[in-house]
Amino acid sequence: GAVVSQHPSWVICKSGTSVKIECRSLDFQATTMFWYRQFPKQSLMLMATSNEGSKATYEQGVEKDKFLINHASLTLSTLTVTSAHPEDSSFYICSASSSSGGTQETQYFGPGTRLLVL
Amino acid sequence: EDQVTQSPEALRLQEGESSSLNCSYTVSGLRGLFWYRQDPGKGPEFLFTLYSAGEEKEKERLKATLTKKESFLHITAPKPEDSATYLCAVQAASNYQLIWGAGTKLIIKP
Repeated sequence: GAVVSQHPSWVICKSGTSVKIECRSLDFQATTMFWYRQFPKQSLMLMATSNEGSKATYEQGVEKDKFLINHASLTLSTLTVTSAHPEDSSFYICSASSSSGGTQETQYFGPGTRLLVL
Repeated sequence: EDQVTQSPEALRLQEGESSSLNCSYTVSGLRGLFWYRQDPGKGPEFLFTLYSAGEEKEKERLKATLTKKESFLHITAPKPEDSATYLCAVQAASNYQLIWGAGTKLIIKP
């Protein structure tokens, strides 16, 4: 149980284009989904938190107009990197929990999406 | 300030050589402490959640323990497939976000 999928697993795009990453909870309803970014040999950096049907809450320093997050259903959240640039190249990971975020519920992670912007 | 520190940064063991990884934390009210395993190029895989001091959980060769200041991940008779980075995170009572440690890279040599 508690399986989270991400698609695509890797993507290469040209500078200036937009890329959409999907995150799905396969066997549970995710009231809260989280988007992280991870640089090589570093720990996870939280980008934003989204609750189903609400606007995402972005961490300080994360551009909300550049990283568009939609959490339209209890099983799907999407991250769109708009007008991508080489500095956006990174490993993006989503996680999902079945609580509203205020309890001890565990976050289950997807396999990650590696983005390379040329 | 809420903080999580993991030690050592890296640990090399021979197959079968038991050891422990440490996760020290300072947080204003612990809601939960989480252990994850991460393989290169993959997302973290959930291992354990601990909620209160004195609690212990086991899974195969791994055992996690918790005190009021730290958690240990004990690995008994490890195998090469246990090689990975082990991440510790805490959730404070005041905030649902996870505060992450930098991880311990574990290498088990056959």
